[in-house]
Amino acid sequence: AQKVTQAQTEISVVEKEDVTLDCVYETRDTTYYLFWYKQPPSGELVFLIRRNSFDEQNEISGRYSWNFQKSTSSFNFTITASQVVDSAVYFCALMGRYGNKLVFGAGTILRVKS
Amino acid sequence: DAMVIQNPRYQVTQFGKPVTLSCSQTLNHNVMYWYQQKSSQAPKLLFHYYDKDFNNEADTPDNFQSRRPNTSFCFLDIRSPGLGDTAMYLCATSTGGGAEETQYFGPGTRLLVL
Repeated sequence: AQKVTQAQTEISVVEKEDVTLDCVYETRDTTYYLFWYKQPPSGELVFLIRRNSFDEQNEISGRYSWNFQKSTSSFNFTITASQVVDSAVYFCALMGRYGNKLVFGAGTILRVKS
Repeated sequence: DAMVIQNPRYQVTQFGKPVTLSCSQTLNHNVMYWYQQKSSQAPKLLFHYYDKDFNNEADTPDNFQSRRPNTSFCFLDIRSPGLGDTAMYLCATSTGGGAEETQYFGPGTRLLVL
């Protein structure tokens, strides 16, 4: 069975602080794919990043960075110098090699205060 | 811009009155998905179409049906909505192409059953 755990239900930070959202996953597949999506109050799920299990290289995109560690089955997401517009629910998700099904974590609500 | 479009964005219906939600895409993707997302929960896959092949999740109630008349359009029919069907309904698409598989979501339809 596949499972994604986002232990942080809600995080509040003050603007310009750095924040890390944790994601831990479980799968028996040797090939799998990990995702982060952002869901602002409008409701649309916005794709942020995809990571393949065979590529452990960390990635940086502007203020966003992702740390993928297979040894700990974690795929954490860091926002540097947070902004109010970063306020949203962030979902980590997992897809196995042979399926189309995304398994989502419960989500982390991020509140950035000015 | 290529995108996933959902109509209507908001829908109010009465208990037991059939309702149809619409999704269209200009991405020319092979796969279209319907997710249900209840308040403060993660999205849950109801079913998906790979081209014309319908794939139902085991725990999707019979009350939920879907149609895909062509590549661009997919409909979610709720035959007899119950109060528990109040939720956000998200449509997503993907190429269905394996290694680079990523699901792109529409803005969602918020359904309220009274």
